[in-house]
Amino acid sequence: GENVEQHPSTLSVQEGDSAVIKCTYSDSASNYFPWYKQELGKRPQLIIDIRSNVGEKKDQRIAVTLNKTAKHFSLHITETQPEDSAVYFCAATGYSTLTFGKGTMLLVSP
Amino acid sequence: DAGVIQSPRHEVTEMGQEVTLRCKPISGHNSLFWYRQTMMRGLELLIYFNNNVPIDDSGMPEDRFSAKMPNASFSTLKIQPSEPRDSAVYFCASSLKIYNEQFFGPGTRLTVL
Repeated sequence: GENVEQHPSTLSVQEGDSAVIKCTYSDSASNYFPWYKQELGKRPQLIIDIRSNVGEKKDQRIAVTLNKTAKHFSLHITETQPEDSAVYFCAATGYSTLTFGKGTMLLVSP
Repeated sequence: DAGVIQSPRHEVTEMGQEVTLRCKPISGHNSLFWYRQTMMRGLELLIYFNNNVPIDDSGMPEDRFSAKMPNASFSTLKIQPSEPRDSAVYFCASSLKIYNEQFFGPGTRLTVL
């Protein structure tokens, strides 16, 4: 089955800095890679996703890149704000259920 | 659409009692997932259904856990008997298909004393 590794487990940045979270996956058949944000006490919610026919996708301050050859994908957050503080999960799937990474706790200090 | 609905939102019970968690998926979604989240173990997939049929229950920790989906709009996760180590937040999620975006419910925070 699929195995997803996520790094780092915690990330602290200053407001305005950029943050990068990286994930690797094992199943070369995987073709859908979503990212979820979970604020404290809330449910995980999708913030951006990418499919294997695309190398990069942007949505305002958030971008995701995918390298299928190396089997890794990354989340980039620019101009971080305190409200970006949350746990971020990457996930991957081919034609089965999503496999989630362990999560990255991002703390943005004012 | 109201999104995925879970009840109760909070449950406090004593060890040995039966606990039943309930979930109503988004209308039209064919896949339903039950997760457990703790600080130590993160987000764990317990079981998932496709078209009301259980597909993979390998994540169910013990025989004390069982899940059913009698129809397309309702699922239950039952723990009998409950133990303190079952304390966690239990999320239900649904998606159009197994490999699509999953929409999570608000979760049930279970505390077993």
